[in-house]
Amino acid sequence: DARVTQTPRHKVTEMGQEVTMRCQPILGHNTVFWYRQTMMQGLELLAYFRNRAPLDDSGMPKDRFSAEMPDATLATLKIQPSEPRDSAVYFCASGLRPNTGELFFGEGSRLTVL
Amino acid sequence: QKEVEQDPGPLSVPEGAIVSLNCTYSNSAFQYFMWYRQYSRKGPELLMYTYSSGNKEDGRFTAQVDKSSKYISLFIRDSQPSDSATYLCAMSDSGAQKLVFGQGTRLTINP
Repeated sequence: DARVTQTPRHKVTEMGQEVTMRCQPILGHNTVFWYRQTMMQGLELLAYFRNRAPLDDSGMPKDRFSAEMPDATLATLKIQPSEPRDSAVYFCASGLRPNTGELFFGEGSRLTVL
Repeated sequence: QKEVEQDPGPLSVPEGAIVSLNCTYSNSAFQYFMWYRQYSRKGPELLMYTYSSGNKEDGRFTAQVDKSSKYISLFIRDSQPSDSATYLCAMSDSGAQKLVFGQGTRLTINP
């Protein structure tokens, strides 16, 4: 059963600490997205990649967030230093034809920054 | 102003009722329209997809797109308690292929 795998599922950390979230997209999917979900803002696009190349990271705070795809089986989202306002659920999603809705989400990484 | 606006609710209706969920958008380049369903503490999953204007029906669910009004709807007939979830609309243009989501509407179907 192919699925997007995210780790960690839950993370509690203190302000100023580095946080790294990892995502294993579904094998063969060439497009990978990072979204952040909060009650106030809903689902916000942070960055996305196609064939491992970053296409758009305009949704990310550049000074503290970075996203990479070191290989086709791993995408990472890093926050350094973390702040309380970064507390949210971070979702990774992958697909071949995202326009057609064929976008598969992981179960999310719930981040709490104290 | 956000590109996609969706009333976050919450919306609570009795079992068997017809539910109407809506989104408006401002970007006329959007051509692909989707509805996702998200259960508590899970990731969103695709419910329905529509290209351009028109209606699409799948069982108890009907999606409508009115591009002239920049308005999309999802109707749920004979609603069930298992339909209780957050429903998110999403849209994309043909170029960027990135999905822009509405805030999501939390729906509860009461037995």
